[in-house]
Amino acid sequence: DIQMTQSPSSLSASVGDRVIINCRASQSISTYLNWYQLKPGKAPKLLIYVASTLQSGVPSRFSGSGSGTDFTLTISSLQPEDFAFYYCQQSYGTSLTFGGGTKVEIK
Amino acid sequence: QVQLKESGPGLVKPSETLSLTCTVSGGSTSSSSYYWGWIRQPPGKGLEWIGNIYYNGNTNDNPSLKSRVTISVDTSNNQFSLRLSSVTAADTAVYYCARWGHYYDSSGYSADAFDIWGQGTMVTVSS
Repeated sequence: DIQMTQSPSSLSASVGDRVIINCRASQSISTYLNWYQLKPGKAPKLLIYVASTLQSGVPSRFSGSGSGTDFTLTISSLQPEDFAFYYCQQSYGTSLTFGGGTKVEIK
Repeated sequence: QVQLKESGPGLVKPSETLSLTCTVSGGSTSSSSYYWGWIRQPPGKGLEWIGNIYYNGNTNDNPSLKSRVTISVDTSNNQFSLRLSSVTAADTAVYYCARWGHYYDSSGYSADAFDIWGQGTMVTVSS
């Protein structure tokens, strides 16, 4: 299986801050990388697919980059509704795997 | 718009079989454009993919669970289901169903993603 490693596992930030979350694959996955947002009690939300393409309806303050083994999710100006968990996920292999998640908390 | 909703018992005894159903509204499980999948999240832990199914019954499962997992689709009722046998406390989790779609970016690169999810249902394994 392809292992996905996210960092940091948690971070504290203020509204308006720029936030960067990292995701590393154990082998090259080209751009077969997605990002999701999870909030308690709500349906998870697809934010970005193919590493850098914004899903319809997702605010432009979210962006993704990377290819091969190293990827980033950037929130350019953190908003109150962005405090949540974020997960990367690879779809390169037939066995799908997620990163361990990043909790974005209010400072 | 397409919505998914999980249903099933919230409590299952150890060694028994966990059974969940996902009902799709606003879309069709008989569509050839999508797979349908199950993902779970144990308390305090990350997401784990369980498996996907196509409208024709073809499945792709997580090797770590494969021998215990059965995923089926009922296109007449627009549902798909998960059965997980011989459960233990380690199977306690929030279980999500989701649609697995194929996407292209502006450069023509493609990938698949879970684009629509249910809200999840908590299943506890306990006697």
